[in-house]
Amino acid sequence: QQPVQSPQAVILREGEDAVINCSSSKALYSVHWYRQKHGEAPVFLMILLKGGEQKGHEKISASFNEKKQQSSLYLTASQLSYSGTYFCGTEYGSSNTGKLIFGQGTTLQVKP
Amino acid sequence: DTGVSQDPRHKITKRGQNVTFRCDPISEHNRLYWYRQTLGQGPEFLTYFQNEAQLEKSRLLSDRFSAERPKGSFSTLEIQRTEQGDSAMYLCASSLARDRYTFGSGTRLTVV
Repeated sequence: QQPVQSPQAVILREGEDAVINCSSSKALYSVHWYRQKHGEAPVFLMILLKGGEQKGHEKISASFNEKKQQSSLYLTASQLSYSGTYFCGTEYGSSNTGKLIFGQGTTLQVKP
Repeated sequence: DTGVSQDPRHKITKRGQNVTFRCDPISEHNRLYWYRQTLGQGPEFLTYFQNEAQLEKSRLLSDRFSAERPKGSFSTLEIQRTEQGDSAMYLCASSLARDRYTFGSGTRLTVV
């Protein structure tokens, strides 16, 4: 089952903050976040493991709420380079395959 | 670490023809994944290898699709008797165990 991302699209001005959510109806082992720019491959941002801590990457951080089976990606003081489509990839607890099921994506546009 | 390479980058084929794509993963990575992505959607899981063993294949995949990873190195994805609905970006990713994915740049297939 595909995780659900919200919102579908966000438009920001440089310097503004955004939150992207990823929800699953099944128990998760891990949540990955990737950013994809038009015509390019997805690029890894971070991974959150069940029972793990909040991870950070420059001004991008994320959290994983095990009770809700939900992860949130926080982008603070956004830059033009943050524009792109953000995907969460979820690995279910029982799989042990490393196989990720990706959400439908959230398109982020940062304007000057 | 030269990253994940995919060949060709673009492929245009006539309906009914067979096509084969190649993926060269990061050499230390034991897991290799194939995904398909259409415009505006997240990557959709196709199949997965651990070393040379194909451990899972999506139920969405018809018998026209086959993949191999001889000797646990590069992988090939073949589509027989292509249909217009096969037009998509085919992404390959590799990882070490349940770690982050590194994606290749993808092969864009257009069936005319």
